[in-house]
Amino acid sequence: AQTVTQSQPEMSVQEAETVTLSCTYDTSENNYYLFWYKQPPSRQMILVIRQEAYKQQNATENRFSVNFQKAAKSFSLKISDSQLGDTAMYFCAFSLKGGSEKLVFGKGTKLTVNP
Amino acid sequence: NAGVMQNPRHLVRRRGQEARLRCSPMKGHSHVYWYRQLPEEGLKFMVYLQKENIIDESGMPKERFSAEFPKEGPSILRIQQVVRGDSAAYFCASSPEGSGNTIYFGEGSWLTVV
Repeated sequence: AQTVTQSQPEMSVQEAETVTLSCTYDTSENNYYLFWYKQPPSRQMILVIRQEAYKQQNATENRFSVNFQKAAKSFSLKISDSQLGDTAMYFCAFSLKGGSEKLVFGKGTKLTVNP
Repeated sequence: NAGVMQNPRHLVRRRGQEARLRCSPMKGHSHVYWYRQLPEEGLKFMVYLQKENIIDESGMPKERFSAEFPKEGPSILRIQQVVRGDSAAYFCASSPEGSGNTIYFGEGSWLTVV
């Protein structure tokens, strides 16, 4: 079974600075996807970024980028130029390619951006 | 294009009553997923459905919980004889065929059992 671990329950960062959220996962499979979801106080789940395991290039979406280390099974999220609106819970998630597409989530990291 | 629509957003039930949560997927999406989020936890997969078929229900509790996605109408998650431990946020998500595992979530339904 696949597992996802987020070792930082809470983090804080000053506005305009950079923060990195950690995520490790465990799987014996080779083809899979990794995701970061954001859950703001409104509680809606918002997709931040998606990485396909067979792609070596790290995914980037504006201020959000990942550091994907397949051998180490690590998938960290870097948020640059942090904004107050980035305050949220961040969940790392995994799903197998070609399977039922179900996501396995970590327990989340609560990020607070301070003015 | 409307997103994934869930209703009700908030539902209060007494112990022993039934709870029905509805989910209308995004237009053109034929795959529906239900997830449960307990307080201070990440989301846990419950069930994956395509029209009229349950594809994967490995995360569904064996008793009291059922799900359907009929040919016409929304997907329904049904919880019979609710207990306090069923209090949680229930998220529905949908995806089209060949989405490359990217699914889109609704805003969730909050069930409180009193």
